[in-house]
Amino acid sequence: DAGVIQSPRHEVTEMGQEVTLRCKPISGHDYLFWYRQTMMRGLELLIYFNNNVPIDDSGMPEDRFSAKMPNASFSTLKIQPSEPRDSAVYFCASSPGRDWGYTFGSGTRLTVV
Amino acid sequence: AQSVTQLDSHVSVSEGTPVLLRCNYSSSYSPSLFWYVQHPNKGLQLLLKYTSAATLVKGINGFEAEFKKSETSFHLTKPSAHMSDAAEYFCVVNSGNTGKLIFGQGTTLQVKP
Repeated sequence: DAGVIQSPRHEVTEMGQEVTLRCKPISGHDYLFWYRQTMMRGLELLIYFNNNVPIDDSGMPEDRFSAKMPNASFSTLKIQPSEPRDSAVYFCASSPGRDWGYTFGSGTRLTVV
Repeated sequence: AQSVTQLDSHVSVSEGTPVLLRCNYSSSYSPSLFWYVQHPNKGLQLLLKYTSAATLVKGINGFEAEFKKSETSFHLTKPSAHMSDAAEYFCVVNSGNTGKLIFGQGTTLQVKP
């Protein structure tokens, strides 16, 4: 298995632009998570899905952030419009169940200038 | 509610000496516990997990952790540190039946030659 695949690895964009981050979870994993990591705030859970259904989006910072999971093999995290304070590393992770732990992707480093 | 507390934000050891990274947890029921490692500019990797089987859990790269219910602890140890062990380590507990994991704030391990 190729693991959790995220794209792009790096993204540099100008303030106000739309940014879309992509994630392909491991096949058969029912849970998908989006995290954001910064030096100031550490790891923050943004949203997670179970069987493609959003379960908890309380970590999404504001309406500029949205996430979708149209099928079991693909998810997107969109920021529109982007702001410099959104600069962070965004991780996607998937899991087969609650006692199994997560498998993380390599992350997308987002820089908004 | 479930939570974890990593007692040290930074630990420094010399190469070849033992490593101890401390973690206490709080849980209203029998938890699943995990340790993750993150090397600089990399994603998070699962080191080991405890899921109510043997209380002494062996992980990758010579790490192990012992679940002590009486002390509500899940400390991570390694007999002899290697330079490649320098990284950020996260203690993690599962959050009920949701499939969501609760991350500690992390401990930075520095290994001196």
